[in-house]
Amino acid sequence: EAQVTQNPRYLITVTGKKLTVTCSQNMNHEYMSWYRQDPGLGLRQIYYSMNVEVTDKGDVPEGYKVSRKEKRNFPLILESPSPNQTSLYFCASSSSGAGAAPAMVGYTFGSGTRLTVV
Amino acid sequence: ILNVEQSPQSLHVQEGDSTNFTCSFPSSNFYALHWYRWETAKSPEALFVMTLNGDEKKKGRISATLNTKEGYSYLYIKGSQPEDSATYLCAFEAGGYNKLIFGAGTRLAVHP
Repeated sequence: EAQVTQNPRYLITVTGKKLTVTCSQNMNHEYMSWYRQDPGLGLRQIYYSMNVEVTDKGDVPEGYKVSRKEKRNFPLILESPSPNQTSLYFCASSSSGAGAAPAMVGYTFGSGTRLTVV
Repeated sequence: ILNVEQSPQSLHVQEGDSTNFTCSFPSSNFYALHWYRWETAKSPEALFVMTLNGDEKKKGRISATLNTKEGYSYLYIKGSQPEDSATYLCAFEAGGYNKLIFGAGTRLAVHP
């Protein structure tokens, strides 16, 4: 089954304790992206990757890191989480990079990670 | 700043009612307009991706129209059913930007 697998689904952590949210897709997609969703706001892009070893900042990159060492994996790293990073996070992938050509079949999203930083 | 507005914010309808909601987006530098359906505790699923002015797409009882010149898209649901209850997201894709810009969504509740 074509899917984006995100882990964990739920995470409660303490301020300053490094964590990683994993994202893996099995569709051989070049484009992958991380979004966060906060109440009353649309999904906001954190980072994206057009291909292996090619990553760039989105709209809200502060406090986050990513890497793209393999095509299928795109982990999101919070080196020193803070309470303002409490949010619902989604990983997404697409067969064509947004901006290069329209993602005609839309994005495929992971199941989401609800992160609480206390 | 590229902004996408969706209205209404939430909507309650009775089973069998037809309903529609609006997505407004910048009319310049248009590339594509996406609609997603997002059920509680699940991930957003793509409904439509539209690229041409005047485009109309249909999937079962759900359809969408696109006006790129004036910067709006409508999503219609005919004969709403309780299983249509979800948040409907639209997202604007601009040329040269490597992202989708999402609206805050319209939350639809269909009551039996």
